[in-house]
Amino acid sequence: IAGITQAPTSQILAAGRRMTLRCTQDMRHNAMYWYRQDLGLGLRLIHYSNTAGTTGKGEVPDGYSVSRANTDDFPLTLASAVPSQTSVYFCASSYAGLSTDTQYFGPGTRLTVL
Amino acid sequence: AQSVTQLDSQVPVFEEAPVELRCNYSSSVSVYLFWYVQYPNQGLQLLLKYLSGSTLVKGINGFEAEFNKSQTSFHLRKPSVHISDTAEYFCAVSSQGGSEKLVFGKGTKLTVNP
Repeated sequence: IAGITQAPTSQILAAGRRMTLRCTQDMRHNAMYWYRQDLGLGLRLIHYSNTAGTTGKGEVPDGYSVSRANTDDFPLTLASAVPSQTSVYFCASSYAGLSTDTQYFGPGTRLTVL
Repeated sequence: AQSVTQLDSQVPVFEEAPVELRCNYSSSVSVYLFWYVQYPNQGLQLLLKYLSGSTLVKGINGFEAEFNKSQTSFHLRKPSVHISDTAEYFCAVSSQGGSEKLVFGKGTKLTVNP
């Protein structure tokens, strides 16, 4: 059982470039999430999706977009990367998106924007 | 809106010593509480969660936490730590019946020294 996979593992990107971070889960979870982790700030929610076809904004959505065409995939796109988007990005999923749910996390993508 | 404060950013301890990682929360409604652990270069995984019932919650790897509603706290404890417990620990809160998503604290880095 793979759980959640993320790609790429790490990436160095020039400012102004477009980048899509990929996330795939094989647990048939309805809800998926994207977080960014920055030193001293913990994890902050960027976007989420409670079910395929729907998405919502989290705490720090500016500069990011997501789509949820099917249950398994939840890509995160940076349309025009800026240095402040340098971070470690984690994708997560949960069974139903309820506030009682356990979230399961991928291994992360380390992104550096120069 | 809810918030989480982890009172210590770093906690160094010696192997086999007891440890307590402190977490306080703020919310205008009843909450569910979680502790997640992040081992080096990995994603987060659930240690334990409080949903209802007994205020003492036991989790994996010998950890436990106690929900104290009057003090709005959910401190994590382990009576005897191992080198392998070296990791970052995140307290998180979600609201009962609300649409707000999981909110994480900034994390506590536990370092267990030989």
